[in-house]
Amino acid sequence: KNQVEQSPQSLIILEGKNCTLQCNYTVSPFSNLRWYKQDTGRGPVSLTIMTFSENTKSNGRYTATLDADTKQSSLHITASQLSDSASYICVVRFLTGGGNKLTFGTGTQLKVEL
Amino acid sequence: GAGVSQSPRYKVAKRGQDVALRCDPISGHVSLFWYQQALGQGPEFLTYFQNEAQLDKSGLPSDRFFAERPEGSVSTLKIQRTQQEDSAVYLCASSFPRGGKRSYNEQFFGPGTRLTVL
Repeated sequence: KNQVEQSPQSLIILEGKNCTLQCNYTVSPFSNLRWYKQDTGRGPVSLTIMTFSENTKSNGRYTATLDADTKQSSLHITASQLSDSASYICVVRFLTGGGNKLTFGTGTQLKVEL
Repeated sequence: GAGVSQSPRYKVAKRGQDVALRCDPISGHVSLFWYQQALGQGPEFLTYFQNEAQLDKSGLPSDRFFAERPEGSVSTLKIQRTQQEDSAVYLCASSFPRGGKRSYNEQFFGPGTRLTVL
């Protein structure tokens, strides 16, 4: 079974600080890797999408990196804001046996405090 | 509408009851997905439609789960004889495929229906 693992499970940081969230996947090849932000009680919202040939993708204060050799991705959040408090989910679309399915990690719960 | 909508937002059912969850995708989106998200977990795939055709239902956990999209727009996820382990948030997502296995096919999610089975 394809696996997507994230760390840390939860994180608390002060407003204005930077943080980095990690994602490891165990099966390749894959089509693309996505990072989603999920606010409490809401559906996930896409932040970045990277294909296997891309190393980095930015969206405002969010920067995602991808190392296909080590099968690792990270999401870096710069100058955090209170509104960044949410669950951040790494999602991989695998090429084999998955058709159009996505495999989700369990997420990192981020809390930004004053 | 501007986004994917789901109803009801919250549903409490007694064990053994049947429930029906509705999803209104973004107008014109061909693909529609259902996911189940347990507390503290990421969403897990249940089933996928392209227009009215259910192309993949491999994620449905049992034959008590049934999904349909008869006219290729609105979809309903039905759970028969609900059990406590069915308690979860049920997310619907839609996308407009840009073609090809390597396309991005970004999925847009609804807010989910939180189902609690007592």
